Amino acid sequence: GESVGLHLPTLSVQEGDNSIINCAYSNSASDYFIWYKQESGKGPQFIIDIRSNMDKRQGQRVTVLLNKTVKHLSLQIAATQPGDSAVYFCAESPTIQGAQKLVFGQGTRLTINP
Amino acid sequence: EPEVTQTPSHQVTQMGQEVILRCVPISNHLYFYWYRQILGQKVEFLVSFYNNEISEKSEIFDDQFSVERPDGSNFTLKIRSTKLEDSAMYFCASSYDRGRVNYGYTFGSGTRLTVV
Repeated sequence: GESVGLHLPTLSVQEGDNSIINCAYSNSASDYFIWYKQESGKGPQFIIDIRSNMDKRQGQRVTVLLNKTVKHLSLQIAATQPGDSAVYFCAESPTIQGAQKLVFGQGTRLTINP
Repeated sequence: EPEVTQTPSHQVTQMGQEVILRCVPISNHLYFYWYRQILGQKVEFLVSFYNNEISEKSEIFDDQFSVERPDGSNFTLKIRSTKLEDSAMYFCASSYDRGRVNYGYTFGSGTRLTVV
C-alpha cells in the first residue's frame, strides 16, 4: 500500500551547518513530492516540491533530491538558522493535477543548536 | 499572502456531541481538503472535495463525518457523534490547478479538537 516514512525521528545540527533530512516512499507510481515544515501549534507550511521527472530542485537555502531508483527523497537545508527548528514532513501524491490526496511521512524534528 | 483560515482554534466537546469545524479556503482555490493529526503522529488525509462533491475519502472518513460547502466561502467538517479517538488537530487545505498542475496547496493553522 501507499506509505511514506522517514529514517530518523530527530536531528540536531549546529547553527550555520547544513542539514539533510531523509524520506523513503513506497509507492513507485507517485508523481509529486512535497516537503512541509511544521512549527508547534501551526499547520504544515510548504517548503519545496519536486515532480517525478526531476531529480533535483533548488529553492532559497533548500534543495530537494529525488532518487526514484531507491524511492528516496531528501531535503537539504543550507546554513541553518534558529528559525529552521521545526518538524519536517515529506508528502507524496500519485497525481499532479486535480484533487490531490497527500500521503505524509512520520516527520523529523530538526533542532538547531546555537 | 493568502491564507486558509480555520475556526475555532480549539474546541472541547463531550463524547457523543456533534461538532462542526469551519474553514475559509483561499478565494480562487477549487479543491478543498481535510486532514487530521493525532498528537505526535503524522498528518493523515481525510477527504477531498471539488465541485460540490467528495472526490476521495479515506477509511477514517466514515459515516460519522461529513463535509459541506454551505456558501461561496466556507468549507465545513462535521463529526456527528464524537468519540474520544477523534481528539486531534484538524487541518483544512485548499489548492487550484494552474495549467495542468495542481498548485498552491496551502494548509490552515488547524483546529485542536478535544473530546472529553
